[in-house]
Amino acid sequence: EPEVTQTPSHQVTQMGQEVILRCVPISNHLYFYWYRQILGQKVEFLVSFYNNEISEKSEIFDDQFSVERPDGSNFTLKIRSTKLEDSAMYFCASIGTKANSGNTIYFGEGSWLTVV
Amino acid sequence: KNEVEQSPQNLTAQEGEFITINCSYSVGISALHWLQQHPGGGIVSLFMLSSGKKKHGRLIATINIQEKHSSLHITASHPRDSAVYICALYGGATNKLIFGTGTLLAVQP
Repeated sequence: EPEVTQTPSHQVTQMGQEVILRCVPISNHLYFYWYRQILGQKVEFLVSFYNNEISEKSEIFDDQFSVERPDGSNFTLKIRSTKLEDSAMYFCASIGTKANSGNTIYFGEGSWLTVV
Repeated sequence: KNEVEQSPQNLTAQEGEFITINCSYSVGISALHWLQQHPGGGIVSLFMLSSGKKKHGRLIATINIQEKHSSLHITASHPRDSAVYICALYGGATNKLIFGTGTLLAVQP
């Protein structure tokens, strides 16, 4: 069974610090996503990435956030200056082809970020 | 107004009961996922539907595109089915999943 892996599983950081969350999507997948889930709330879309560029982003994904795929395998989410309200579970996901093509989406186990 | 509404929000069942979770949506879609999220947080896709019905073991998912409604059924429920079940959909022009709020299911022995 293919899997998406995320690191770290849990990170505690001081407010204002930079955080990088890492994801290794499934190797032959083409579309990559970051979602977040604040405790007790529903999962929210942050950003989608295709062909080495952002294809769509939500209003949550402001200038403090950035994504990149530096080496063709890792897919990273960077939060430049964390705020308390960034505390959430961050999920990476990938899919092999265009989302509505009939292929399933695979999620990582999540990275739990706590900003103090 | 939420684009995806699920009901019920919370559901407690006795082991062996037949369970139905409903999802209604207000936008045109290209596909709909039923996802399972366990207490540890990980999310697993159970089904992806664009029409009709799919079955996997004790799980059945149906979708009615005209009525903008989908259901997830669990037959012979078991405590290990306890989880949050989430309906999520792909809108017609977008490549992102829009998530419902989830249904917290607790199956008691």
